[in-house]
Amino acid sequence: SQKIEQNSEALNIQEGKTATLTCNYTNYSPAYLQWYRQDPGRGPVFLLLIRENEKEKRKERLKVTFDTTLKQSLFHITASQPADSATYLCALDRTGANNLFFGTGTRLTVIP
Amino acid sequence: GAVVSQHPSRVICKSGTSVKIECRSLDFQATTMFWYRQFPKQSLMLMATSNEGSKATYEQGVEKDKFLINHASLTLSTLTVTSAHPEDSSFYICSARDRGLAGWSQYFGPGTRLLVL
Repeated sequence: SQKIEQNSEALNIQEGKTATLTCNYTNYSPAYLQWYRQDPGRGPVFLLLIRENEKEKRKERLKVTFDTTLKQSLFHITASQPADSATYLCALDRTGANNLFFGTGTRLTVIP
Repeated sequence: GAVVSQHPSRVICKSGTSVKIECRSLDFQATTMFWYRQFPKQSLMLMATSNEGSKATYEQGVEKDKFLINHASLTLSTLTVTSAHPEDSSFYICSARDRGLAGWSQYFGPGTRLLVL
């Protein structure tokens, strides 16, 4: 069955360092992959979308890579700040369906 | 980016009552909206896909008679939890899809916290 795994439930890093979050998937051939940020008690906020034919996408301090051979996406936050603390979700379009399938998320804490 | 609103943000009700949650796309037209449910420390679980002017498509295990969805216009979808019970207490989130240059993006509402006593 189709599966998405975000390998760390929680990740703590020091302010200023680069946070790297991982999303692995199996039994999928997604056309694109998305990353979202979710704060407690709030809905997810869209951050970045990367298509299957793109290797890397950047937006300000964010960088996403997409390796369809490894079936993996990496999400990087450079020069991390305490305000970056949140849960980050990766999501894939479900095969043959018009909707997204979400990973369980990684809760990032940036320590001042 | 696109804005999706939800109302109410929080509701407490007695067991057996029905609760309606509204989801609106404020600055774009959404032919498709989605309803998710999220339990504490878990990911979003898709409940149903709502298409404007037609019946919603429910995910396996979601009772369509209990979770009534109406998508009457391109900017409004409603979810009614009928005869709510304590186990229906959860965080309900709607989202709407908007097509941009890079492909489909999904924008989420702020969520509705439902507590059934």
